Amino acid sequence: EPEVTQTPSHQVTQMGQEVILRCVPISNHLYFYWYRQILGQKVEFLVSFYNNEISEKSEIFDDQFSVERPDGSNFTLKIRSTKLEDSAMYFCASREQGRSYNEQFFGPGTRLTVL
Amino acid sequence: GQNIDQPTEMTATEGAIVQINCTYQTSGFNGLFWYQQHAGEAPTFLSYNVLDGLEEKGRFSSFLSRSKGYSYLLLKELQMKDSASYLCAVRDASGNTPLVFGKGTRLSVIA
Repeated sequence: EPEVTQTPSHQVTQMGQEVILRCVPISNHLYFYWYRQILGQKVEFLVSFYNNEISEKSEIFDDQFSVERPDGSNFTLKIRSTKLEDSAMYFCASREQGRSYNEQFFGPGTRLTVL
Repeated sequence: GQNIDQPTEMTATEGAIVQINCTYQTSGFNGLFWYQQHAGEAPTFLSYNVLDGLEEKGRFSSFLSRSKGYSYLLLKELQMKDSASYLCAVRDASGNTPLVFGKGTRLSVIA
């Protein structure tokens, strides 16, 4: 069964450093999302992406964050200058256009630790 | 604003039935989802309701009442592997709208 993949599974970085989290959505999906989950808290929406542009973004997704689809398969989240509070699990999700129930498929996540 | 409420924790016995409730207040409504999340893993899709009523899928069923802003997830014949967090999530509009998640209900299944 096709699945969303994410790399790396774990990323440890120093505060102020840039990180890039990578995702490969399911191949025929057209809608892409990034969510994050701080340990012990709820899953929070960051940004959605369709047709090579951002569809919607939350208050969390400030100027430190950016997304890109550099080629036909990858979908990346960049955090320009990480802060301690960026430590979280970051989930990528994708969705197929036209499905009757619009299920979002989640990747396994990248655990980001900012020291 | 968006508000989704569900109990923080529940405990149930192996082989029993458990009902996890979710209430929501959102600016719009275009479907309610239940996801299962084992510790340290990604959420996996369980069910979707957009019309009132019960949707059954094997041991799992989900119910929706739009007028009451209420849903529940029913798990039958509980197994130890059902110990996980169960996340209620709402789409508040059509199109490429993200999911708004509740905080999740951590279910512990005991022998």
